Amino acid sequence: QSALTQPPSASGSPGQSVAISCTGTSSDVGGYNYVSWYQQYPGKAPKLMIYEVSKRPSGVPDRFSGSKSGNTASLTVSGLQAEDEADYFCISYAGSNNPVVFGGGTKLTVL
Amino acid sequence: EVQLVESGGGLVKPGGSLRLSCAASGFTLSNAWMSWVRQAPGKGLEWVGRIRSKNDGGTTDYAAPVKGRFTISRDDSKNTLYLQMNSLKTEDTAVYYCTHYGDAEYFQDWGQGTLVTVSS
Repeated sequence: QSALTQPPSASGSPGQSVAISCTGTSSDVGGYNYVSWYQQYPGKAPKLMIYEVSKRPSGVPDRFSGSKSGNTASLTVSGLQAEDEADYFCISYAGSNNPVVFGGGTKLTVL
Repeated sequence: EVQLVESGGGLVKPGGSLRLSCAASGFTLSNAWMSWVRQAPGKGLEWVGRIRSKNDGGTTDYAAPVKGRFTISRDDSKNTLYLQMNSLKTEDTAVYYCTHYGDAEYFQDWGQGTLVTVSS
């Protein structure tokens, strides 16, 4: 069982917006601004999409955005495109004794 | 361009040992914080451990399930990271990814992964 809770699936039609949540506790998501999001296609390496809650690496489309409220972080994908169909998972820092906690992943389907 | 290429995975019997390698290019390994992350078949991701940069002491941290059995090291002359895995258990079966930290607590780059299967 993953430390961070994500919905197993999410979906939307092309052009729509979808938000994926990542819920933790005050010891991880709520306690630090170190939530990051990754995209993973089947059989491929994960790719960083968002770091430090809402920062976007160069090369990541601005359709991807991140936010946080309390113990829940969210990844929003706007203007859905077919190539956005992938698995997305979140990671949070959780202190020096257990520095990395993961979400279970969300399969995003573009209808 | 940063590249991380893992190797060394395979089939090993319970109680056996295996050493994974991660050849890094595009950056200097000794200046980087690096981590190993694994994903069991059909399961979520799990952090295995990390090594700090040389400037930050080069020390290591491990997740509880592998502490005392796994060791992370690096060969700066080869720009290569290692994961020595001893006393392997069936529950260690997973794809193992080598990751490169960004300038804070996130993984900027990932390797393609190497599969380790522990089975009799």
